[in-house]
Amino acid sequence: SQKIEQNSEALNIQEGKTATLTCNYTNYSPAYLQWYRQDPGRGPVFLLLIRENEKEKRKERLKVTFDTTLKQSLFHITASQPADSATYLCALDGSFKTIFGAGTRLFVKA
Amino acid sequence: DSGVTQTPKHLITATGQRVTLRCSPRSGDLSVYWYQQSLDQGLQFLIQYYNGEERAKGNILERFSAQQFPDLHSELNLSSLELGDSALYFCASSVATEDYEQYFGPGTRLTVT
Repeated sequence: SQKIEQNSEALNIQEGKTATLTCNYTNYSPAYLQWYRQDPGRGPVFLLLIRENEKEKRKERLKVTFDTTLKQSLFHITASQPADSATYLCALDGSFKTIFGAGTRLFVKA
Repeated sequence: DSGVTQTPKHLITATGQRVTLRCSPRSGDLSVYWYQQSLDQGLQFLIQYYNGEERAKGNILERFSAQQFPDLHSELNLSSLELGDSALYFCASSVATEDYEQYFGPGTRLTVT
């Protein structure tokens, strides 16, 4: 069955540094992949969508890459700020179903 | 504010009972998704409706059912509730069936005692 793996351990970084989060998937070839941010007790918020024919997508301080050969997506936050502290979820879409990863918690220290 | 509304915000009920969760999608969105999020399971896709029709089913129990009405709002019915059904239930909406970002509501926190 389709499986998504995200870093289960929390990522701690210093303010101003670049945070890099990883999303690996198996047994699937998604047409596109999405990244969401979730704060405790709140609904996920859409950040970026990248299609299988796109290598990279940027939005302000965010950058997503999508390597269909490695079956991996990387999510980067440059010049990170304490306000970026949250859980980041990747999601695969295809076959009319959405599968979310368990998420990676990011802590940005001032 | 995503534009997706969910009611109620909190629900406390006893085992064996039945509850209904309600969701209103963003204006113009035709697709509605339901998700369950518990501490040990992450965000689990339950079911999707598009313009009133069931589009996809995930890990939805037989005790759970959903529908989308002509005005596009959706309801998730949970019956014969068990302690393990305690979770956050999110509704999301999108413009179409796939290849579009989903906008999540604030969720309904269900506690089964």
